[in-house]
Amino acid sequence: SAVISQKPSRDICQRGTSLTIQCQVDSQVTMMFWYRQQPGQSLTLIATANQGSEATYESGFVIDKFPISRPNLTFSTLTVSNMSPEDSSIYLCSVESWGKSGYTFGSGTRLTVV
Amino acid sequence: EDKVVQSPLSLVVHEGDTVTLNCSYEVTNFRSLLWYKQEKKAPTFLFMLTSSGIEKKSGRLSSILDKKELFSILNITATQTGDSAIYLCAVSSGTDKLIFGTGTRLQVFP
Repeated sequence: SAVISQKPSRDICQRGTSLTIQCQVDSQVTMMFWYRQQPGQSLTLIATANQGSEATYESGFVIDKFPISRPNLTFSTLTVSNMSPEDSSIYLCSVESWGKSGYTFGSGTRLTVV
Repeated sequence: EDKVVQSPLSLVVHEGDTVTLNCSYEVTNFRSLLWYKQEKKAPTFLFMLTSSGIEKKSGRLSSILDKKELFSILNITATQTGDSAIYLCAVSSGTDKLIFGTGTRLQVFP
């Protein structure tokens, strides 16, 4: 299955600033998925990133707040813009793994906005 | 609207107990159901189920899918403190994205 390197692992940010999270995959993948997990909640899909086209955002998430880049088939970034304390969450990237191991997740970014 | 519901939300047991976690779903174009264990940040893969009635087993963990009744169970026998985690059920639909349930928080005490 694919191996994903995600960084930063954690960060504490001031409100009103932006943070960019990076995910690097060890193989080429068509789609990459970005999730948010708010404290005590399950994972919610933010958007699906395809190489060469704009990301597809889920209901409740907009490009101005969560811009995504997908410059090639192994890399993607998610930016959390103009942060507020409500953005404090774990952010995870994911790809579908060939074979029987389902979807693989990055190690996650724990964001705290103060 | 697609949804995945897990129960119970929380479970507290003693080491050695057997637990059963439940997951029911309503999705269009079902592809597969997946179970994950989340201890810190990243969910780790446990099982992927695509066919009804075929049990998947890994050590003390096992899982089965019922596509007629639209649910799955995850069993953990002889629980250990290291089994303490959040267990997530997710369903993959025709759009390739995962829809996650609320999760079951399992706490195993010695």
